[in-house]
Amino acid sequence: KAGVTQTPRYLIKTRGQQVTLSCSPISGHRSVSWYQQTPGQGLQFLFEYFSETQRNKGNFPGRFSGRQFSNSRSEMNVSTLELGDSALYLCASQRGVMLKETQYFGPGTRLLVL
Amino acid sequence: DQQVKQNSPSLSVQEGRISILNCDYTNSMFDYFLWYKKYPAEGPTFLISISSIKDKNEDGRFTVFLNKSAKHLSLHIVPSQPGDSAVYFCAASAGGNNQGGKLIFGQGTELSVKP
Repeated sequence: KAGVTQTPRYLIKTRGQQVTLSCSPISGHRSVSWYQQTPGQGLQFLFEYFSETQRNKGNFPGRFSGRQFSNSRSEMNVSTLELGDSALYLCASQRGVMLKETQYFGPGTRLLVL
Repeated sequence: DQQVKQNSPSLSVQEGRISILNCDYTNSMFDYFLWYKKYPAEGPTFLISISSIKDKNEDGRFTVFLNKSAKHLSLHIVPSQPGDSAVYFCAASAGGNNQGGKLIFGQGTELSVKP
């Protein structure tokens, strides 16, 4: 069974631009969560989607948004990029929303903002 | 506000010895805790978890201990192997059984196991 895939794997943008990252969950998984990983901060929760609805949102500014499609694929968008948005963006999927279901992570998209 | 803290950024142990990774949390509403392992250029992979109703969970070489009164958990790896060298993240979840999609992670501890 294929794992979680994220595209693109690497991205370089300049300040002020916007970016869209894509995540394809494991087949049969309907929940997708997004995290930002920066040095010293660990992984910080961005948002969670289930059945095309945002269920939870982390403490990030409105420049960060996301959506989920009917096939469970998800995208996240960052508008008006800032230098501090440089990070590894990780997507994770799980079958549903229950606590003891394992979250499976993709390899991440590394974003560099210049 | 870092609700989950891993105060040791790195840890080095000898092969065959015990590795102990520590994690502290501040939110008493956390009711489920997990450890993830991450290799470079890969996403984190689930290692072991523990519910707040337990104080110990074991899976092979990996044991997680939870001390609720101290708001502290630890991961023990015995014996440590060079392949265990990775970054280990502690994570927590709160809000009930249907909040599995939102995990609060610590900053990570980089474990290096020397042959």
